[in-house]
Amino acid sequence: DAGVIQSPRHEVTEMGQEVTLRCKPISGHDYLFWYRQTMMRGLELLIYFNNNVPIDDSGMPEDRFSAKMPNASFSTLKIQPSEPRDSAVYFCASTPRGSGYGYTFGSGTRLTVV
Amino acid sequence: AQSVTQPDIHITVSEGASLELRCNYSYGATPYLFWYVQSPGQGLQLLLKYFSGDTLVQGIKGFEAEFKRSQSSFNLRKPSVHWSDAAEYFCAVQGGTIKAAGNKLTFGGGTRVLVKP
Repeated sequence: DAGVIQSPRHEVTEMGQEVTLRCKPISGHDYLFWYRQTMMRGLELLIYFNNNVPIDDSGMPEDRFSAKMPNASFSTLKIQPSEPRDSAVYFCASTPRGSGYGYTFGSGTRLTVV
Repeated sequence: AQSVTQPDIHITVSEGASLELRCNYSYGATPYLFWYVQSPGQGLQLLLKYFSGDTLVQGIKGFEAEFKRSQSSFNLRKPSVHWSDAAEYFCAVQGGTIKAAGNKLTFGGGTRVLVKP
């Protein structure tokens, strides 16, 4: 199994531009999570999906952030327009069930907004 | 609401010495508990997990953790650290009810471990 695959690994963009982060979960995993990691706030859950349906997006910081999961093998996190304070490492994770199994994380996307 | 506290932000240990990382959680019932490790520039890797039963849990890379309900703790230990153990370690808690499908994993702030030669 290739694990959770995220792309790109690094993204540098100018303030105001649209940024799209991509994630391919492990096949057969029903849950997909997007986390953001910063020095100041640590690991924050942004949103998670169950069977491609968004269940809880209370962690999404503002309307500039949106996430979709059009099918079981693909999810995107979009920021439009991007701002310097969005600079962080964004992780995608998946799990076969909601609890007790731990999550498998991708390698993350390091986003820098200048 | 569940929460996790890792009191030590940084720990420096000599290679070959023992290591213990502290983790305290807050949750109304018996939680599921996890330890993850993150090497620089990498994602999080699961070291071990506790669901129920034996309170001493063995994990990968020679790590173990002990669940102590009375202290709401889940401390991570390794008898002899290697230079490759230098990384950041995260404790996490998840609701452990039967209908907990989708319960969020809440992470502590992490402990960065430095290993001296």
